[in-house]
Amino acid sequence: DQQVKQNSPSLSVQEGRISILNCDYTNSMFDYFLWYKKYPAEGPTFLISISSIKDKNEDGRFTVFLNKSAKHLSLHIVPSQPGDSAVYFCAASEAQGAQKLVFGQGTRLTINP
Amino acid sequence: DVKVTQSSRYLVKRTGEKVFLECVQDMDHENMFWYRQDPGLGLRLIYFSYDVKMKEKGDIPEGYSVSREKKERFSLILESASTNQTSMYLCASSSVFEGTGDYEQYFGPGTRLTVT
Repeated sequence: DQQVKQNSPSLSVQEGRISILNCDYTNSMFDYFLWYKKYPAEGPTFLISISSIKDKNEDGRFTVFLNKSAKHLSLHIVPSQPGDSAVYFCAASEAQGAQKLVFGQGTRLTINP
Repeated sequence: DVKVTQSSRYLVKRTGEKVFLECVQDMDHENMFWYRQDPGLGLRLIYFSYDVKMKEKGDIPEGYSVSREKKERFSLILESASTNQTSMYLCASSSVFEGTGDYEQYFGPGTRLTVT
């Protein structure tokens, strides 16, 4: 069973516009969430995280929103740039200190010039 | 900058061979992890380690074992490689941000293993 789901395998966005990537989870014990970005032939790189005591966290062009009642989180990228084209993974863990992550399937984001 | 290195970028092995994948991190992290990445399945945790000589099973440990004799090195072992172990293998290590308890995992570049 997939505890973390990214239901959109791919997303295409115009450069300069907003990219919104979505992630749903089923385990109500998850309390820490992360987003990673992955280019081909490279390992994933950390983008941003959020703990369950917050509903929003911002870092530059990246904002993560958490809706605990809906078990849903989203990553907003504004404005989108060509270098943002990559596969994005969301991940979750049950206890912040345990660091055992469960990943979604990934969404391939393409930014069109 | 944190650096996580993996011994090989590409590896081709035959069915039944014993395979060693090595991972080294240079940031004195306590925690290290092995994942495999497959299309449509994302990253799945194979094994992780919280300290030297300690290991815990992840979500898909069958067919794998690990070794952590030194803090900086975490090895993944395929005792008898099979074709269904053809995959991208990713190693990670982690740190915790002081004060917040937040953390991130730093990943190596991955090893693309093909078992024929």
